[in-house]
Amino acid sequence: GQQLNQSPQSMFIQEGEDVSMNCTSSSIFNTWLWYKQDPGEGPVLLIALYKAGELTSNGRLTAQFGITRKDSFLNISASIPSDVGIYFCAGQLDAGGTSYGKLTFGQGTILTVHP
Amino acid sequence: DTEVTQTPKHLVMGMTNKKSLKCEQHMGHRAMYWYKQKAKKPPELMFVYSYEKLSINESVPSRFSPECPNSSLLNLHLHALQPEDSALYLCASSYSIPSFTEAFFGQGTRLTVV
Repeated sequence: GQQLNQSPQSMFIQEGEDVSMNCTSSSIFNTWLWYKQDPGEGPVLLIALYKAGELTSNGRLTAQFGITRKDSFLNISASIPSDVGIYFCAGQLDAGGTSYGKLTFGQGTILTVHP
Repeated sequence: DTEVTQTPKHLVMGMTNKKSLKCEQHMGHRAMYWYKQKAKKPPELMFVYSYEKLSINESVPSRFSPECPNSSLLNLHLHALQPEDSALYLCASSYSIPSFTEAFFGQGTRLTVV
């Protein structure tokens, strides 16, 4: 089945530092999504990407949809303590077939920010 | 309003109990999903409904029974669960026409089976 390789698995950074994480896949996706999840809560959508090469920002967050449609990265600039959490990438396959509407998630990046 | 509401937030049930999880959204989304999530793992898809019809069942055991009574509501009926079914159960919704779009998640139901 489809797999998303998300890295790094965890990061320990100082407040104010920039963060970068990425996801790669062996399959082509037509949508890439980035979510943040706090303990005991549901994932919250951060950024959605729909076109190959698309670069999108949301405040201190920037994400890009890779040209090959098999990868995406998320950058967080000037990290703050509330950025702590688990970040998941998720990809959605091309339209059609039995997997239509199915999101494939990466394994997550656990981010810890030291004040 | 980008809210998906799940009830209850916490549920403890015995292995012989029958219970139901509920999910509601008023964003006009016609695709709704159930996911199961274990601690520090990604969500795992269980079911997808599109226009109130079950479109994906990821080989989920029959002790989990989904129901979509209308375009805003999604239920998950639970019966004879096992302790290993303890997890965070997440509901999500999205548009599905002309294509599936970003999914919005509820806050989850923390289920403990004793």
